[in-house]
Amino acid sequence: EPEVTQTPSHQVTQMGQEVILRCVPISNHLYFYWYRQILGQKVEFLVSFYNNEISEKSEIFDDQFSVERPDGSNFTLKIRSTKLEDSAMYFCASSGWGSVSYTFGSGTRLTVV
Amino acid sequence: DAKTTQPNSMESNEEEPVHLPCNHSTISGTDYIHWYRQLPSQGPEYVIHGLTSNVNNRMASLAIAEDRKSSTLILHRATLRDAAVYYCILVYYNQGGKLIFGQGTELSVKP
Repeated sequence: EPEVTQTPSHQVTQMGQEVILRCVPISNHLYFYWYRQILGQKVEFLVSFYNNEISEKSEIFDDQFSVERPDGSNFTLKIRSTKLEDSAMYFCASSGWGSVSYTFGSGTRLTVV
Repeated sequence: DAKTTQPNSMESNEEEPVHLPCNHSTISGTDYIHWYRQLPSQGPEYVIHGLTSNVNNRMASLAIAEDRKSSTLILHRATLRDAAVYYCILVYYNQGGKLIFGQGTELSVKP
């Protein structure tokens, strides 16, 4: 069964550093998303991306965040200057045209120290 | 975004059926009812979705009330691997719509 792949599975970074979280969505999917889940809390929507541009973003997705699809397969989330409160699991998801189901990756655990 | 209400937690015995309820009294005609689950330390996983009619797939069944203000996810024979948080989510049927997760129902399964 096709999968959404996320790397790395765990990243530790120092406060103020930039991080890039990487995702390989399912190959024929057109819609891409990032969600995050702070430990013990609910899954929160960050951003959706379609046709090489952001289609929707949440209040969490401020100027410190950016997304990119640099080639035909990768989808990245960049946090420019990490804060302690950015520590969370980050999930990438994708969905296809005509498909109402979303496939999530296993997540990247980001720890900011 | 239309909201859903689910019990915080439920318990089941292994190999027994489980009925997970969800209330969505403000659902609109264009909202699909989706169920996802999140196993420990994993990303959410699609379970099933429906609009008006009851639905069955290999994982579960979805029973939708006639007025669509509530639905029930049915696991016919719970296994230990079904222990997870189950989310009932309304999704406006436009391509690429986001999922808004609530707290979900934490299902524990006893052997």
